[in-house]
Amino acid sequence: GAGVSQSPSNKVTEKGKDVELRCDPISGHTALYWYRQSLGQGLEFLIYFQGNSAPDKSGLPSDRFSAERTGGSVSTLTIQRTQQEDSAVYLCASSLVGLWEQFFGPGTRLTVL
Amino acid sequence: AQTVTQSQPEMSVQEAETVTLSCTYDTSENNYYLFWYKQPPSRQMILVIRQEAYKQQNATENRFSVNFQKAAKSFSLKISDSQLGDTAMYFCAFMKFGAGSSGDKLTFGTGTRLAVRP
Repeated sequence: GAGVSQSPSNKVTEKGKDVELRCDPISGHTALYWYRQSLGQGLEFLIYFQGNSAPDKSGLPSDRFSAERTGGSVSTLTIQRTQQEDSAVYLCASSLVGLWEQFFGPGTRLTVL
Repeated sequence: AQTVTQSQPEMSVQEAETVTLSCTYDTSENNYYLFWYKQPPSRQMILVIRQEAYKQQNATENRFSVNFQKAAKSFSLKISDSQLGDTAMYFCAFMKFGAGSSGDKLTFGTGTRLAVRP
């Protein structure tokens, strides 16, 4: 079956602009995670969705970052007033709640000029 | 909070040789999983191997095996008979078992870039 997909694959934006990154999880996966991969910093957790609610937003770095999930499926990560330090690869993963295996998407590479 | 440390930013190995990637972690939890993920240039994260902390036996998956030392909080990955397709970034990761409402979020190390030379 289809895996996790993310769009766009690459996004170049200017400092100060808003961006939206999209994640389509595997059908039926109720758990969804966003991670950020910055150069030299590995991957860091941003937010966890269980269904449409986000019980853990502890990794969002600032109030410029927000995310939502609708219909228990698609999720969008929005970054407002982008800064150069937001440049990174944003990865999405999904899983069945309570099961350990997370399936990752190919990520969106965001470049803020 | 958990931390995962990978002290080898880059490693290189000759094709068909064996290489070991190091990982240490810090946690006060007793029940957890440890993982090694592979990330080739395509950026797709691929699970290589998983270890449950309650299991004493080291996990193996074909050419990949781990040396899990719970008391030392060490979790190294051994790749035998290295192949060109093993060239990738390798991440060690920690997951708390049964995290409940916090979900099963992964805590990653900073990665080791492995190059397999022909």
